[in-house]
Amino acid sequence: DAGVIQSPRHEVTEMGQEVTLRCKPISGHDYLFWYRQTMMRGLELLIYFNNNVPIDDSGMPEDRFSAKMPNASFSNLKIQPSEPRDSAVYFCASSRGTSRNYGYTFGSGTRLTVV
Amino acid sequence: KQEVTQIPAALSVPEGENLVLNCSFTDSAIYNLQWFRQDPGKGLTSLLLIQSSQREQTSGRLNASLDKSSGRSTLYIAASQPGDSATYLCAVRRFIQGAQKLVFGQGTRLTINP
Repeated sequence: DAGVIQSPRHEVTEMGQEVTLRCKPISGHDYLFWYRQTMMRGLELLIYFNNNVPIDDSGMPEDRFSAKMPNASFSNLKIQPSEPRDSAVYFCASSRGTSRNYGYTFGSGTRLTVV
Repeated sequence: KQEVTQIPAALSVPEGENLVLNCSFTDSAIYNLQWFRQDPGKGLTSLLLIQSSQREQTSGRLNASLDKSSGRSTLYIAASQPGDSATYLCAVRRFIQGAQKLVFGQGTRLTINP
């Protein structure tokens, strides 16, 4: 099992540019989560999907952020236009089902720097 | 609103000591609780998961306990090693009106001194 795979690992972009972060969940996991981590706010849930359908996007900061999951093996998070305050580490996580046995598996994250 | 608190925020101990990290949560209606480890600049690695009906879980030198009624969990690390240095995060999973939430504490930054 390759785990949750995120790309790119690092992204440096100029303010105003579009940024796309990618995630491949673990095969068989039907939940996918996008988190953002900053020193000030810790880990924040942005959005999550169940069976490719967005369930809760209340954590998405504003309309500049959007996320899609076109199929069970891929999701992307887009920021357009990007701003310096979007600089953070973005994590993707996946989970299988809703049994109490199951926890979350996180990817290695994408470190985004907007200059 | 579920809040998760980890105390202390930072801990530094000499190698070989046994230590306890604390996690408290305000709402006992949790699904499970997960302890993670995060190394600087890295992702989160799951260490232990305790279901709401369980009292403890063990993996190697790690033991996690859960007391739902008091809203507390502890992570016990035996015979600490410099390689244990990392930030440790606890997270509680809840289902609220059909939506699930994984709420994290702010973490305890652990340093093991050789």
